[in-house]
Amino acid sequence: GAGVSQTPSNKVTEKGKYVELRCDPISGHTALYWYRQSLGQGPEFLIYFQGTGAADDSGLPNDRFFAVRPEGSVSTLKIQRTERGDSAVYLCASSLRPSGSSTDTQYFGPGTRLTVL
Amino acid sequence: AQSVAQPEDQVNVAEGNPLTVKCTYSVSGNPYLFWYVQYPNRGLQFLLKYITGDNLVKGSYGFEAEFNKSQTSFHLKKPSALVSDSALYFCAVRVPSSSASKIIFGSGTRLSIRP
Repeated sequence: GAGVSQTPSNKVTEKGKYVELRCDPISGHTALYWYRQSLGQGPEFLIYFQGTGAADDSGLPNDRFFAVRPEGSVSTLKIQRTERGDSAVYLCASSLRPSGSSTDTQYFGPGTRLTVL
Repeated sequence: AQSVAQPEDQVNVAEGNPLTVKCTYSVSGNPYLFWYVQYPNRGLQFLLKYITGDNLVKGSYGFEAEFNKSQTSFHLKKPSALVSDSALYFCAVRVPSSSASKIIFGSGTRLSIRP
């Protein structure tokens, strides 16, 4: 596909359960980002990957959140022991080149709506 | 700390009239500024960005934005609004540096265009 894709589009889970959210970036994009968007708010940064490594994870709220990108393409955001406050839309974005001084645009996927009951 | 403010939660405009969605920012250093649009149940779509050069930036769907350094603003504009422009608009900022990776988003402005 031409754009960033995310699966599932919707995920409903129970408090305390474990969830995985998947992101497929645009082919050839080296940088990948995860954001979280709560109702009525703008997206908030979670983590940034350059290749396979997490270059900046300063936005992860606590150690229940973890993300991987083992082959430098697809990424998975993992949330352990989910809480009701984790309910939000989780957005993935990718850009062609590394961040920092790059002027490259971040392109966003449609998001995964997570609901924790 | 970097921040972005969108002072209006909602903007209502009649179709055919000009529209402005306001954005102000606070950063140390020269900012990269962005506008994104979000339609219902869809991801953020890139509209335009200011990096350097001409203060008036033209983007997708007839939108443009004017960078004003003295007022630290980056307002989004369109000369003639369409009903299909109704959506949620986000202003965002990033300060270029070797360690800066994230975009800081404003809280969004809902644009409603009435026929």
